[in-house]
Amino acid sequence: EVQLLQSGGGLVQPGGSLRLSCAASGFTFSSYGMSWVRQAPGKGLEWVSGISGSGGSTYYADSVKGRFTISRDNPKNTLYLQMNSLRAEDTAVYYCAKVINYGSGAYYVYYFDYWGQGILVTVSS
Amino acid sequence: SYELTQPPSVSVSPGQTARITCSGDALPRQYAYWYQQKPGQAPVLVIYKDSERPSGIPERFSGSTSGTTVTLTISGVQAEDEADYYCQSADSSGTCVFGTGTKVTVL
Repeated sequence: EVQLLQSGGGLVQPGGSLRLSCAASGFTFSSYGMSWVRQAPGKGLEWVSGISGSGGSTYYADSVKGRFTISRDNPKNTLYLQMNSLRAEDTAVYYCAKVINYGSGAYYVYYFDYWGQGILVTVSS
Repeated sequence: SYELTQPPSVSVSPGQTARITCSGDALPRQYAYWYQQKPGQAPVLVIYKDSERPSGIPERFSGSTSGTTVTLTISGVQAEDEADYYCQSADSSGTCVFGTGTKVTVL
């Protein structure tokens, strides 16, 4: 059974830093890309960042580029999101998600088949 | 980046059919995916690659596409289908986009 267990959220002051973790089990972690998706209170889903199975390729939304860093430790089956220079608008529930992605003819397949439980990050003084 | 636009809300009576649209200029060139999210819960994938249904998802959920619009159809809506629904797409650059979300209310 696939499980994604998140930790590391909490309250942080503007300008501060926080690191989220996502411990994976039930699948071959290094074979799959992973992503972070967030949801501000009462708002919709926003993709934040993605990383390839090897960790060699990373992707970021413009809203977090230069402030957030996604990484993974494959021997530990763990995904991370290092968040620096946090702003009030980064307040959200953050989800980690397992990615299915591959080329399919002229199309590119990319979606999330399993999600973590979500963890709240509050940026406030 | 591009946008995916959904209606904010759809209301439907039990047993009727709900249709949720998602519009975006890139959709003719990209697959779309649909997620259901109930309050306080993580999203759940209900449709992938425009019209494929994951195992465990009821047959009343179906997807279709036409030009720049994809549609999630829930046939014979049940009270348990009341939730927020999001479309999603992505391109080969690694950039992913979610739709604006639609709240489905079962009357």
